[in-house]
Amino acid sequence: GESVGLHLPTLSVQEGDNSIINCAYSNSASDYFIWYKQESGKGPQFIIDIRSNMDKRQGQRVTVLLNKTVKHLSLQIAATQPGDSAVYFCAEKENQFYFGTGTSLTVIP
Amino acid sequence: DSGVTQTPKHLITATGQRVTLRCSPRSGDLSVYWYQQSLDQGLQFLIQYYNGEERAKGNILERFSAQQFPDLHSELNLSSLELGDSALYFCASSAGGGGQNQPQHFGDGTRLSIL
Repeated sequence: GESVGLHLPTLSVQEGDNSIINCAYSNSASDYFIWYKQESGKGPQFIIDIRSNMDKRQGQRVTVLLNKTVKHLSLQIAATQPGDSAVYFCAEKENQFYFGTGTSLTVIP
Repeated sequence: DSGVTQTPKHLITATGQRVTLRCSPRSGDLSVYWYQQSLDQGLQFLIQYYNGEERAKGNILERFSAQQFPDLHSELNLSSLELGDSALYFCASSAGGGGQNQPQHFGDGTRLSIL
Protein backbone atom coordinates (compact mmCIF):
# COMPACT_ATOMS: atom_id res chain seq x y z
CA GLY A 1 0.00 0.00 0.00
CA GLU A 2 0.92 3.63 -0.20
CA SER A 3 2.62 5.46 2.59
CA VAL A 4 1.94 9.08 3.29
CA GLY A 5 3.51 10.39 6.45
CA LEU A 6 4.16 13.58 8.31
CA HIS A 7 7.48 14.48 9.87
CA LEU A 8 6.02 16.05 13.03
CA PRO A 9 2.82 15.08 14.77
CA THR A 10 2.52 18.47 16.56
CA LEU A 11 3.62 21.99 15.82
CA SER A 12 3.26 25.10 17.95
CA VAL A 13 3.84 28.58 16.54
CA GLN A 14 3.41 32.13 17.75
CA GLU A 15 0.61 34.14 16.25
CA GLY A 16 1.96 36.14 13.34
CA ASP A 17 4.82 33.76 12.60
CA ASN A 18 4.99 31.58 9.52
CA SER A 19 4.21 27.87 9.82
CA ILE A 20 5.70 25.05 7.80
CA ILE A 21 4.10 21.62 7.80
CA ASN A 22 5.87 18.78 6.05
CA CYS A 23 4.73 15.60 4.40
CA ALA A 24 6.63 12.68 2.88
CA TYR A 25 5.08 10.47 0.27
CA SER A 26 6.28 7.16 -1.06
CA ASN A 27 4.76 6.68 -4.49
CA SER A 28 6.78 8.37 -7.20
CA ALA A 29 3.87 7.80 -9.59
CA SER A 30 1.56 10.06 -7.58
CA ASP A 31 0.61 12.96 -9.79
CA TYR A 32 -1.66 15.06 -7.63
CA PHE A 33 -1.41 16.30 -4.07
CA ILE A 34 -3.77 18.11 -1.73
CA TRP A 35 -3.50 19.73 1.66
CA TYR A 36 -6.50 19.54 3.96
CA LYS A 37 -7.30 21.26 7.25
CA GLN A 38 -9.45 19.47 9.80
CA GLU A 39 -10.89 21.26 12.79
CA SER A 40 -12.31 19.41 15.75
CA GLY A 41 -15.72 17.96 14.98
CA LYS A 42 -15.57 18.87 11.31
CA GLY A 43 -14.65 17.21 8.07
CA PRO A 44 -11.44 17.85 6.16
CA GLN A 45 -11.46 21.18 4.41
CA PHE A 46 -9.64 21.64 1.11
CA ILE A 47 -6.82 24.19 1.35
CA ILE A 48 -4.71 23.93 -1.76
CA ASP A 49 -3.64 21.42 -4.37
CA ILE A 50 -0.71 20.93 -6.69
CA ARG A 51 -0.09 18.77 -9.71
CA SER A 52 3.13 16.89 -10.21
CA ASN A 53 4.19 19.08 -13.14
CA MET A 54 4.52 22.01 -10.74
CA ASP A 55 6.87 22.61 -7.83
CA LYS A 56 5.14 25.55 -6.19
CA ARG A 57 1.66 26.93 -5.92
CA GLN A 58 0.38 29.85 -3.92
CA GLY A 59 -2.97 30.60 -2.45
CA GLN A 60 -4.24 33.10 0.04
CA ARG A 61 -1.63 33.05 2.85
CA VAL A 62 -0.67 29.50 1.90
CA THR A 63 2.02 28.06 -0.35
CA VAL A 64 2.55 24.44 -1.26
CA LEU A 65 5.96 23.23 -2.35
CA LEU A 66 6.54 19.91 -4.07
CA ASN A 67 9.95 18.28 -4.29
CA LYS A 68 9.57 15.20 -6.44
CA THR A 69 13.24 14.28 -6.14
CA VAL A 70 12.91 13.52 -2.45
CA LYS A 71 9.14 12.93 -2.52
CA HIS A 72 8.40 15.72 -0.12
CA LEU A 73 5.49 18.12 0.16
CA SER A 74 5.24 21.13 2.42
CA LEU A 75 2.56 23.63 3.36
CA GLN A 76 3.59 27.11 4.37
CA ILE A 77 1.11 29.32 6.18
CA ALA A 78 2.04 32.98 6.34
CA ALA A 79 1.22 35.16 9.36
CA THR A 80 -0.38 32.28 11.25
CA GLN A 81 -3.57 33.17 13.08
CA PRO A 82 -5.40 31.47 15.98
CA GLY A 83 -8.04 30.29 13.50
CA ASP A 84 -5.36 28.27 11.75
CA SER A 85 -5.15 25.91 14.72
CA ALA A 86 -6.23 22.52 13.40
CA VAL A 87 -4.91 19.22 12.11
CA TYR A 88 -3.35 19.47 8.66
CA PHE A 89 -2.78 16.48 6.45
CA CYS A 90 -1.67 15.82 2.96
CA ALA A 91 -3.11 13.48 0.39
CA GLU A 92 -1.44 11.96 -2.63
CA LYS A 93 -3.16 10.47 -5.60
CA GLU A 94 -2.15 7.97 -8.20
CA ASN A 95 -5.33 6.03 -8.93
CA GLN A 96 -6.93 6.81 -5.60
CA PHE A 97 -6.22 9.15 -2.74
CA TYR A 98 -4.02 8.18 0.20
CA PHE A 99 -4.09 10.38 3.26
CA GLY A 100 -1.54 11.06 5.96
CA THR A 101 -2.42 10.99 9.65
CA GLY A 102 -1.89 14.71 10.11
CA THR A 103 0.06 17.33 12.03
CA SER A 104 -1.66 19.20 14.81
CA LEU A 105 -0.93 22.92 14.56
CA THR A 106 -1.41 25.06 17.65
CA VAL A 107 -1.17 28.82 17.34
CA ILE A 108 -0.12 30.59 20.52
CA PRO A 109 -1.69 34.05 20.89
CA ASP B 1 -19.51 24.85 4.22
CA SER B 2 -18.35 22.22 1.73
CA GLY B 3 -21.81 21.56 0.34
CA VAL B 4 -21.62 17.88 1.28
CA THR B 5 -24.27 16.84 3.80
CA GLN B 6 -24.02 13.80 6.01
CA THR B 7 -26.65 12.42 8.35
CA PRO B 8 -26.86 11.56 11.13
CA LYS B 9 -24.04 13.39 12.92
CA HIS B 10 -23.92 10.81 15.67
CA LEU B 11 -25.01 7.20 15.94
CA ILE B 12 -24.87 5.03 19.02
CA THR B 13 -25.77 1.39 18.69
CA ALA B 14 -24.87 -2.06 19.93
CA THR B 15 -22.77 -4.89 18.55
CA GLY B 16 -24.51 -7.01 15.98
CA GLN B 17 -26.75 -4.21 14.80
CA ARG B 18 -27.06 -2.61 11.37
CA VAL B 19 -26.94 1.09 10.54
CA THR B 20 -27.26 3.27 7.46
CA LEU B 21 -25.28 6.44 6.90
CA ARG B 22 -26.45 8.95 4.36
CA CYS B 23 -24.60 11.43 2.18
CA SER B 24 -25.75 14.14 -0.21
CA PRO B 25 -22.94 15.34 -2.49
CA ARG B 26 -22.27 18.89 -3.60
CA SER B 27 -24.59 20.09 -6.29
CA GLY B 28 -23.26 18.90 -9.64
CA ASP B 29 -20.80 16.38 -8.25
CA LEU B 30 -21.19 12.90 -9.69
CA SER B 31 -18.70 11.02 -7.52
CA VAL B 32 -19.20 10.03 -3.92
CA TYR B 33 -16.46 8.54 -1.78
CA TRP B 34 -16.73 6.93 1.65
CA TYR B 35 -13.91 6.97 4.18
CA GLN B 36 -13.37 5.64 7.68
CA GLN B 37 -11.29 7.61 10.16
CA SER B 38 -10.31 5.88 13.38
CA LEU B 39 -8.48 7.43 16.30
CA ASP B 40 -4.91 8.36 15.35
CA GLN B 41 -5.32 6.96 11.86
CA GLY B 42 -5.55 8.63 8.53
CA LEU B 43 -8.57 8.46 6.33
CA GLN B 44 -9.05 4.95 5.00
CA PHE B 45 -10.76 4.75 1.63
CA LEU B 46 -13.75 2.43 1.56
CA ILE B 47 -15.55 2.81 -1.74
CA GLN B 48 -16.36 5.21 -4.58
CA TYR B 49 -19.47 5.59 -6.69
CA TYR B 50 -19.70 7.58 -9.87
CA ASN B 51 -23.09 8.46 -11.34
CA GLY B 52 -24.74 5.47 -9.71
CA GLU B 53 -22.09 2.87 -10.49
CA GLU B 54 -19.39 1.48 -8.25
CA ARG B 55 -16.09 2.91 -9.52
CA ALA B 56 -13.43 1.83 -7.01
CA LYS B 57 -13.15 -0.25 -3.90
CA GLY B 58 -10.73 0.15 -1.05
CA ASN B 59 -10.47 -1.55 2.32
CA ILE B 60 -14.18 -2.14 2.70
CA LEU B 61 -15.29 -5.08 4.78
CA GLU B 62 -17.80 -7.56 3.40
CA ARG B 63 -20.16 -6.53 6.21
CA PHE B 64 -20.25 -3.04 4.69
CA SER B 65 -22.00 -2.05 1.50
CA ALA B 66 -22.93 1.13 -0.27
CA GLN B 67 -25.02 2.42 -3.10
CA GLN B 68 -25.61 5.63 -4.99
CA PHE B 69 -29.13 6.51 -6.00
CA PRO B 70 -30.40 8.25 -9.17
CA ASP B 71 -30.53 11.57 -7.34
CA LEU B 72 -26.81 10.98 -6.56
CA HIS B 73 -27.15 10.72 -2.82
CA SER B 74 -25.38 7.74 -1.33
CA GLU B 75 -25.87 5.42 1.61
CA LEU B 76 -23.30 3.35 3.46
CA ASN B 77 -24.71 0.29 5.20
CA LEU B 78 -22.79 -1.26 8.06
CA SER B 79 -24.04 -4.59 9.40
CA SER B 80 -23.12 -7.09 12.13
CA LEU B 81 -21.42 -4.22 13.86
CA GLU B 82 -18.38 -4.86 16.01
CA LEU B 83 -16.69 -2.68 18.62
CA GLY B 84 -13.87 -2.00 16.18
CA ASP B 85 -16.27 -0.35 13.77
CA SER B 86 -16.51 2.65 16.06
CA ALA B 87 -15.08 5.50 14.02
CA LEU B 88 -15.82 8.63 12.07
CA TYR B 89 -17.24 7.93 8.66
CA PHE B 90 -16.78 10.62 6.07
CA CYS B 91 -18.33 11.14 2.71
CA ALA B 92 -16.66 13.21 0.04
CA SER B 93 -17.71 14.25 -3.42
CA SER B 94 -16.01 15.43 -6.56
CA ALA B 95 -17.17 16.51 -9.97
CA GLY B 96 -15.32 13.91 -11.99
CA GLY B 97 -15.05 10.16 -11.89
CA GLY B 98 -11.75 10.02 -10.04
CA GLY B 99 -9.45 9.77 -13.00
CA GLN B 100 -9.21 13.52 -13.17
CA ASN B 101 -7.08 15.44 -10.70
CA GLN B 102 -9.79 17.23 -8.80
CA PRO B 103 -10.12 17.79 -5.08
CA GLN B 104 -12.60 15.92 -2.99
CA HIS B 105 -14.87 17.93 -0.74
CA PHE B 106 -15.83 16.38 2.56
CA GLY B 107 -18.88 16.40 4.75
CA ASP B 108 -18.61 16.76 8.52
CA GLY B 109 -18.91 13.03 9.08
CA THR B 110 -20.98 10.62 11.09
CA ARG B 111 -19.56 9.55 14.42
CA LEU B 112 -20.46 5.91 15.01
CA SER B 113 -20.13 4.52 18.51
CA ILE B 114 -20.64 0.82 19.15
CA LEU B 115 -21.44 -0.13 22.73
